[in-house]
Amino acid sequence: AQKITQTQPGMFVQEKEAVTLDCTYDTSDPSYGLFWYKQPSSGEMIFLIYQGSYDQQNATEGRYSLNFQKARKSANLVISASQLGDSAMYFCAMRAFGNEKLTFGTGTRLTIIP
Amino acid sequence: DAGVIQSPRHEVTEMGQEVTLRCKPISGHDYLFWYRQTMMRGLELLIYFNNNVPIDDSGMPEDRFSAKMPNASFSTLKIQPSEPRDSAVYFCASAYGATNEKLFFGSGTQLSVL
Repeated sequence: AQKITQTQPGMFVQEKEAVTLDCTYDTSDPSYGLFWYKQPSSGEMIFLIYQGSYDQQNATEGRYSLNFQKARKSANLVISASQLGDSAMYFCAMRAFGNEKLTFGTGTRLTIIP
Repeated sequence: DAGVIQSPRHEVTEMGQEVTLRCKPISGHDYLFWYRQTMMRGLELLIYFNNNVPIDDSGMPEDRFSAKMPNASFSTLKIQPSEPRDSAVYFCASAYGATNEKLFFGSGTQLSVL
């Protein structure tokens, strides 16, 4: 079984500062993918970034980067130069080869303060 | 590309009534997922299909819930009879291919059962 743990229910960060959202996972599958989604107050789920378990380099997408530490089973999301529009719920998720369902963590509510 | 289309966006019904939620996945996608989101339980996978075939329905709460995918471009989630505890946001998502492919989410259906 797969499990995603997000230990920060809420975070407040000053605008323009960098933010790290924590995510740890547990799986016995050797091959898997890790995802981060953003859910603003309007409710839609927006894909942010993906990391494959065999990828050698950490994934980056614009201001988003994923700090992947396989041995520690962690996949933290880093947002550089935070903006007011980054205020939202952030979900970490994983999907394993051979078991394609996407399992989500409980999410972190990020609030950017002007 | 129109994205994943869900209807209705909002549904208000009375306990005991039948509710049908609809989803049109992105053309060409071979995986379709139904998720439910509540404050208490977060995002739960209800069922997913691959090439129109149900693969894992272990998340379906009980026999009152059923899902079908008669063809590659349409899926329904039915609740009969509905109960107040079914009130939630129901998301449909689709993906093409393997584990590293992100899921595209619809805008969700906000269901309220009175």
